[in-house]
Amino acid sequence: QKEVEQNSGPLSVPEGAIASLNCTYSDRGSQSFFWYRQYSGKSPELIMFIYSNGDKEDGRFTAQLNKASQYVSLLIRDSQPSDSATYLCAVEGAGANSKLTFGKGITLSVRP
Amino acid sequence: IAGITQAPTSQILAAGRRMTLRCTQDMRHNAMYWYRQDLGLGLRLIHYSNTAGTTGKGEVPDGYSVSRANTDDFPLTLASAVPSQTSVYFCASSDSYAFSGANVLTFGAGSRLTVL
Repeated sequence: QKEVEQNSGPLSVPEGAIASLNCTYSDRGSQSFFWYRQYSGKSPELIMFIYSNGDKEDGRFTAQLNKASQYVSLLIRDSQPSDSATYLCAVEGAGANSKLTFGKGITLSVRP
Repeated sequence: IAGITQAPTSQILAAGRRMTLRCTQDMRHNAMYWYRQDLGLGLRLIHYSNTAGTTGKGEVPDGYSVSRANTDDFPLTLASAVPSQTSVYFCASSDSYAFSGANVLTFGAGSRLTVL
């Protein structure tokens, strides 16, 4: 059973702070890693993906991947109240027909 | 506007009734998926279709069936609904079932189903 674990929440940070969201996965052969954001009552939307070890930056968002330690994280710099949402980590396993496995999500609240 | 359309948006259903959730995409994506989302359990894959004419079982397929007669449509049927199928259902699609960085999921707005 492939597992994707996200650190327990909810997470609350003040406006302007850095929010750090972590995710670990069990399948060592996993290939691609995704972060989705889901506002309350809405559908998930992609923030960014990463498939190479290291950091990937996109605006205020940075994804960090460490395959040896089997974790992927998302940093949100200069957090804004509009960043308040649930963040879902998703992992693609190994194999040609592998599907995405989602974590349970972590809810972020950014305090004005 | 290109995307995925799900219907109905919300439905209350008596246990034992048959229900079909509709999903249509206009992006010509090959792969389509049905997920259910429950509080505390996250998104779980019910069924998928890598391409028109093929379907496969996901993590929680029992009590559900799907068909993929063409590229655009991927209906999900509950043959005899039970209260444990109360959930929010999301249809999604991707250009390919191989999740390289370029092939990401696009989700529909969701269908909220309550089975009494």
